[in-house]
Amino acid sequence: QKEVEQDPGPLSVPEGAIVSLNCTYSNSAFQYFMWYRQYSRKGPELLMYTYSSGNKEDGRFTAQVDKSSKYISLFIRDSQPSDSATYLCAMTTNAGGTSYGKLTFGQGTILTVHP
Amino acid sequence: NAGVTQTPKFQVLKTGQSMTLQCAQDMNHNSMYWYRQDPGMGLRLIYYSASEGTTDKGEVPNGYNVSRLNKREFSLRLESAAPSQTSVYFCASSGKAGETQYFGPGTRLLVL
Repeated sequence: QKEVEQDPGPLSVPEGAIVSLNCTYSNSAFQYFMWYRQYSRKGPELLMYTYSSGNKEDGRFTAQVDKSSKYISLFIRDSQPSDSATYLCAMTTNAGGTSYGKLTFGQGTILTVHP
Repeated sequence: NAGVTQTPKFQVLKTGQSMTLQCAQDMNHNSMYWYRQDPGMGLRLIYYSASEGTTDKGEVPNGYNVSRLNKREFSLRLESAAPSQTSVYFCASSGKAGETQYFGPGTRLLVL
C-alpha cells in the first residue's frame, strides 16, 4: 500500500464548476501538507501549504485537512480553463530546523476544465 | 532571478551510455533534491542534499549518483543508462530541509 493515495482521474469539468481533488494517507506522522500544480511539460509549482486540520483559503482555492481521517482535499471554485493541469498532493513529517523533511507525493490528478 | 535551472532539456541515450544532468539554483537555498516522474507513479525522490557537503539516498537511488558541487549546483549522474531510467527528471531546492520546494523545468530522458 502506498503511503499517499490520489485518484489519477482524469477529471473533466465544465468551466465554472466546483472541483474537488482528494488524497488519503496512511502515515500519521505526516504533519505538513501541500498541493502542487503542474502544467504540461513544466515543473510542479506550489499552490497551497497547510499544517493544521481545517480549511485554508486562497482566492478560488481552498485546502482542507482532516488529520483524524488522514484525508486532504483541494477545492477549486469557479474553475477556469487555465486551471487545466495535473494536481499533486504532497506531505512531510516535519518542516524547517536541521532535520530533513522528505516530501511524499501522490500520483497526481489530471484535471481538464472545458469552456 | 532564474530560480532552478536544469540542463539539458531533452536527451536520448543508448543503453550503457553515461550522462550527467545538471541543476543550479540562485535562491541561496541550502537543500536540493532530484526526483523522477513516471506515469501513474507521481514524483519519486532519487537523492537529496540537505546542505552543502551532504548527500543521502531517497526512495529510488539505484543506478544513480549525485554530487553537490557547491551551494548552487547539484548534479545527477547515470553511469550506465538502462531503458528503465527513461523518465522526466526534476531538480528542486528549498531554503531548509522540509520547507517548500521549488522545482526546475525538468529534463526528459529517453534510453533506447
